Amino acid sequence: GAGVSQSPSNKVTEKGKDVELRCDPISGHTALYWYRQSLGQGLEFLIYFQGNSAPDKSGLPSDRFSAERTGGSVSTLTIQRTQQEDSAVYLCASSLGGAGMNTEAFFGQGTRLTVV
Amino acid sequence: GNSVTQMEGPVTLSEEAFLTINCTYTATGYPSLFWYVQYPGEGLQLLLKATKADDKGSNKGFEATYRKETTSFHLEKGSVQVSDSAVYFCALSERSRYGGSQGNLIFGKGTKLSVKP
Repeated sequence: GAGVSQSPSNKVTEKGKDVELRCDPISGHTALYWYRQSLGQGLEFLIYFQGNSAPDKSGLPSDRFSAERTGGSVSTLTIQRTQQEDSAVYLCASSLGGAGMNTEAFFGQGTRLTVV
Repeated sequence: GNSVTQMEGPVTLSEEAFLTINCTYTATGYPSLFWYVQYPGEGLQLLLKATKADDKGSNKGFEATYRKETTSFHLEKGSVQVSDSAVYFCALSERSRYGGSQGNLIFGKGTKLSVKP
């Protein structure tokens, strides 16, 4: 696609419900990242997929959070039993390779999650 | 572990003023350094980058020099415009001394810049 696409753009959910956030990376990009942006907290790394390698899940804040990347393309971030502190903007990014090389990470517009 | 520290905002300047946003980093290897910008209502986008010591990244009148001796990557612009109002994020990514990537981008907390006419 032309850019990284995330859906939904906004999600309001009740505490305790599960939510799924979707990311469509740029076609051909092997690296995909999820970040969380909370007010005044900057960007918090959640999880990183690179090709067929095992994902780096070191940033996931609890076992309520999980992510999959099917066929090396679309990714879904799932939050189970949502809590109010999960309210944030969830950003997805993709790049040609890992960001350590001269490869730019392209970000989606994010999903604003509000847990009420 | 690796980390990025940047000056806290908000920063408010008049048009044509000189801008500096400080950024320092901690890394165990050979990081690449980046500045990302988030304009109001838009997604994050890369502003500039530098991949080795003494490299200077530049774009849209902004510059930042990779200083290994001071572990810094300060963002500067000689004359800001109202259209530069945005949130600026400093970031790093480790890379192996043999080339190749080692994973995710680590971001600072962001600095909000407001430029008044």
